[in-house]
Amino acid sequence: QQQVKQSPQSLIVQKGGISIINCAYENTAFDYFPWYQQFPGKGPALLIAIRPDVSEKKEGRFTISFNKSAKQFSLHIMDSQPGDSATYFCAASMQGAQKLVFGQGTRLTINP
Amino acid sequence: NAGVMQNPRHLVRRRGQEARLRCSPMKGHSHVYWYRQLPEEGLKFMVYLQKENIIDESGMPKERFSAEFPKEGPSILRIQQVVRGDSAAYFCASSPQSGNSYEQYFGPGTRLTVT
Repeated sequence: QQQVKQSPQSLIVQKGGISIINCAYENTAFDYFPWYQQFPGKGPALLIAIRPDVSEKKEGRFTISFNKSAKQFSLHIMDSQPGDSATYFCAASMQGAQKLVFGQGTRLTINP
Repeated sequence: NAGVMQNPRHLVRRRGQEARLRCSPMKGHSHVYWYRQLPEEGLKFMVYLQKENIIDESGMPKERFSAEFPKEGPSILRIQQVVRGDSAAYFCASSPQSGNSYEQYFGPGTRLTVT
């Protein structure tokens, strides 16, 4: 029940295309859903996050879509660029627990 | 504004030795979290600490692993009698004191190799 399932495991997108990564969770007590970007040899960097009281949040080219009834959320990267090539992790947390439960990660490659 | 700092960045230990990993949180942050990342896997929570207190250690192995966050100085993750299976990247994250802030900021990690 504490798991967050992420798909796909790897994704190849052409430059300028839309990258879409999906996550699903079971525990309805989760109330904070961040996305992290990780480059090889580096630590994860917080990209964007959403709470369940909104269905969408946009920051620049990055958008989180949240479907509370389906217990799913996704990251959309518009106009994908080679510099976006990285591993992306979704995560979930709940008030009082604060620890992050991470998905398995998606290795994104943007072809020039 | 310095971010989360971890040292060493790389650590090589022989089986049976001790490993000490250090983490200095961002300025103004008093909450520290440790996560472990195995190759090609996501991050797994280990322990959550505030100054001088362990809040949640539900992800920490019962034996050989310990963590502290003293009043002064960095947080320390200690692994005694390391085994090959301890080889991983260990990340520290910190968050502000504010109770409603969920945001966690990660350091660059310590890559532990056990030979």
